[in-house]
Amino acid sequence: GQQLNQSPQSMFIQEGEDVSMNCTSSSIFNTWLWYKQDPGEGPVLLIALYKAGELTSNGRLTAQFGITRKDSFLNISASIPSDVGIYFCAGFNFNKFYFGSGTKLNVKP
Amino acid sequence: EAGVAQSPRYKIIEKRQSVAFWCNPISGHATLYWYQQILGQGPKLLIQFQNNGVVDDSQLPKDRFSAERLKGVDSTLKIQPAKLEDSAVYLCASSLGTGTNEKLFFGSGTQLSVL
Repeated sequence: GQQLNQSPQSMFIQEGEDVSMNCTSSSIFNTWLWYKQDPGEGPVLLIALYKAGELTSNGRLTAQFGITRKDSFLNISASIPSDVGIYFCAGFNFNKFYFGSGTKLNVKP
Repeated sequence: EAGVAQSPRYKIIEKRQSVAFWCNPISGHATLYWYQQILGQGPKLLIQFQNNGVVDDSQLPKDRFSAERLKGVDSTLKIQPAKLEDSAVYLCASSLGTGTNEKLFFGSGTQLSVL
């Protein structure tokens, strides 16, 4: 299957700091999705991107669809303790979704 | 709008026993997916349905796993007999299935422990 490389694997940051994570692939995707997963819950969709170069925000979250269509980025500004969780990227093409292995975010109050 | 419904939330069984999970997708979503998620990893596709037909079951261990979506709406996933390595979270997800501007929505998952 197509591989999505998500980095970093984990992050420890101070409350109030900004966070960046990214997802790269050797394949082109038509759609990039970003999810947050809390312990014991299913992933929750945060942002969906459909066009190369697209920049979309959802509150303090901003995600970008890379120009090459092979990567995507998620930024969280002014992090708060409830941002703690695992963030997954997903790419979609040819009727299939492919997932990264997640970025675990820890926020120190 | 109701989300993807899954039950049960938790299940503990002994190896060699059988177990079944149920999923009701978002109304109007043609595509339904079952994923297995091992701790620390991203979801791994087990089976994908488009309406009541199977699109992809290449990763489904067919000697022990089975799934059906008889009327193109809700679905069940069964494991028989279970092995220790089946301990994982089983996620159901659904999407419109139009192929463009897709969004994938997940249920809360079933956490399975095989002892």
